[in-house]
Amino acid sequence: AQKITQTQPGMFVQEKEAVTLDCTYDTSDPSYGLFWYKQPSSGEMIFLIYQGSYDQQNATEGRYSLNFQKARKSANLVISASHLGDSAMYFCAMREGMLYQFYFGTGTSLTVIP
Amino acid sequence: GAGVSQSPSNKVTEKGKDVELRCDPISGHTALYWYRQSLGQGLEFLIYFQGNSAPDKSGLPSDRFSAERTGGSVSTLTIQRTQQEDSAVYLCASSLVRWGYTFGSGTRLTVV
Repeated sequence: AQKITQTQPGMFVQEKEAVTLDCTYDTSDPSYGLFWYKQPSSGEMIFLIYQGSYDQQNATEGRYSLNFQKARKSANLVISASHLGDSAMYFCAMREGMLYQFYFGTGTSLTVIP
Repeated sequence: GAGVSQSPSNKVTEKGKDVELRCDPISGHTALYWYRQSLGQGLEFLIYFQGNSAPDKSGLPSDRFSAERTGGSVSTLTIQRTQQEDSAVYLCASSLVRWGYTFGSGTRLTVV
């Protein structure tokens, strides 16, 4: 079974609108961390936001927020007020317990339309 | 440097040749990771170095792949007798704390 599933290969959003990128995960470990990374055309992976499995509140970082629904095993990324510069690939990832290895999804390509 | 530096940024090589990819992590970061990203795929874990401990090589896809980390800093990923399926972007990341990964910009390898 896939550890991380991103079902949206491509998304479009109007500039200044909000967009939600979906991510579901699969783990039996009660302790895990969920991450979102942005990969612009330059190729670099940029850390956006982190959610721990025991965190009570949904993580927020500026225009990014993580809609964490533990029972559904989903960790959707919400980008508010999209900019043209938000156009990129977005990857959801997970680490389990004390392990160091990341499991990445296949990514969602986001295009912001002026 | 301020970030993780990878070189070369692009590499085109003939099938059967050996290639070396270099990663210079953030100074002081004890952990270093190599990942591979094939077209349309997620990131595939290759190898992990932590301080002076023996590296975890469990993600290396074949014995043609090897990696070293000298002096706990710079790492070199070597692919011997390259095959076309080795074509991918190879990403290096380093971290000091458990979740604070910083990735480099990657090396795009094309085997022709």
